[in-house]
Amino acid sequence: DSGVTQTPKHLITATGQRVTLRCSPRSGDLSVYWYQQSLDQGLQFLIQYYNGEERAKGNILERFSAQQFPDLHSELNLSSLELGDSALYFCASSGPEAGANVLTFGAGSRLTVL
Amino acid sequence: SQQGEEDPQALSIQEGENATMNCSYKTSINNLQWYRQNSGRGLVHLILIRSNEREKHSGRLRVTLDTSKKSSSLLITASRAADTASYFCATDWGYKLSFGAGTTVTVRA
Repeated sequence: DSGVTQTPKHLITATGQRVTLRCSPRSGDLSVYWYQQSLDQGLQFLIQYYNGEERAKGNILERFSAQQFPDLHSELNLSSLELGDSALYFCASSGPEAGANVLTFGAGSRLTVL
Repeated sequence: SQQGEEDPQALSIQEGENATMNCSYKTSINNLQWYRQNSGRGLVHLILIRSNEREKHSGRLRVTLDTSKKSSSLLITASRAADTASYFCATDWGYKLSFGAGTTVTVRA
């Protein structure tokens, strides 16, 4: 157990639907990252939050949004789902290691869009 | 893209042999990290090497960094079946960590 908790582990839904993925970071970590891993795109950085504020944005689609709440848990919302959104979505957190973003990953949420 | 690129894409070795994989990147970095991913699971941090370091060891792992060539290598010595996994280099150049496509290592018994 890495200390980063992601729910749900598996999710099957239909095109056009909306889903929310949830992440609780490791105790004491202030930063939360979201990554998407698919067979053809590899591991793509989506977005990072630090203590409730957005810090960096990657290849996140406009149909996707995220936020980090005061208790530091984060949610990734995926809407108007398409077949191509099927992927493993990872949340990771990092602590205050000086000058480095060392990530602790959760087990992932596997999204299947039918 | 600031992503690292690993080479080779796949590697198959006998138990007890060494495994070497390389990572090249394009821009200046703060540090470079290596992660391991067992099939379908979350990535696990293995080792970090800072831009002012040339070599680092951790157990059976040895990492080198050549900033002039913008490349890094990961050596796993005396491989075991449990080392079967995908290995990713990650370049840290600010607020985000960019991952390469990974090297899939298979250790045969």
